[in-house]
Amino acid sequence: GENVEQHPSTLSVQEGDSAVIKCTYSDSASNYFPWYKQELGKRPQLIIDIRSNVGEKKDQRIAVTLNKTAKHFSLHITETQPEDSAVYFCAASYFGNEKLTFGTGTRLTIIP
Amino acid sequence: GAGVSQSPSNKVTEKGKDVELRCDPISGHTALYWYRQRLGQGLEFLIYFQGNSAPDKSGLPSDRFSAERTGESVSTLTIQRTQQEDSAVYLCASSLLTGLTYEQYFGPGTRLTVT
Repeated sequence: GENVEQHPSTLSVQEGDSAVIKCTYSDSASNYFPWYKQELGKRPQLIIDIRSNVGEKKDQRIAVTLNKTAKHFSLHITETQPEDSAVYFCAASYFGNEKLTFGTGTRLTIIP
Repeated sequence: GAGVSQSPSNKVTEKGKDVELRCDPISGHTALYWYRQRLGQGLEFLIYFQGNSAPDKSGLPSDRFSAERTGESVSTLTIQRTQQEDSAVYLCASSLLTGLTYEQYFGPGTRLTVT
């Protein structure tokens, strides 16, 4: 089955700086890679996703890049703000298998 | 519209008792998932329902865990003879699998404490 590894487990950055979270996956058949954000005491929510037919996707201050050859994908948050503090989970799946395999999460703390 | 709802929000039970957790998915969502999240940990897949297909039970940790779903609506997760290690937040999610995205919409979770 699919195995997703996520690094780092914790990350602290100064407000205004950029944050990068990286994930690797094992199943070369995976072609769908979402990122979920979970604020303290809240439910996880999708913030961005990417399909394997593109290498990068942006949405305002967040972007995701995908390297299919290396089987890794990354979340980039620019101009970080206090409200970006949360736990971020990456996941992988492929269309036809709707079960997501999640990474272990990254706790991001933005330092004012 | 209404999101995914779960009940109860909190459940405290004694070791050895059975518990039932309920999930109401978003209307029309064909896929339903259960996850377990221990304190400070990631999302552990438990079980997945999709339409009338046989559920994917590959994540259930033991035979004390079971789940049912009525058609494409309510689902219940049952834990028999609860143990202290079952203490966690149990999250339910639903999804409308359009072929473009598999976004899962999560419920608020049920916090289970086994004493």
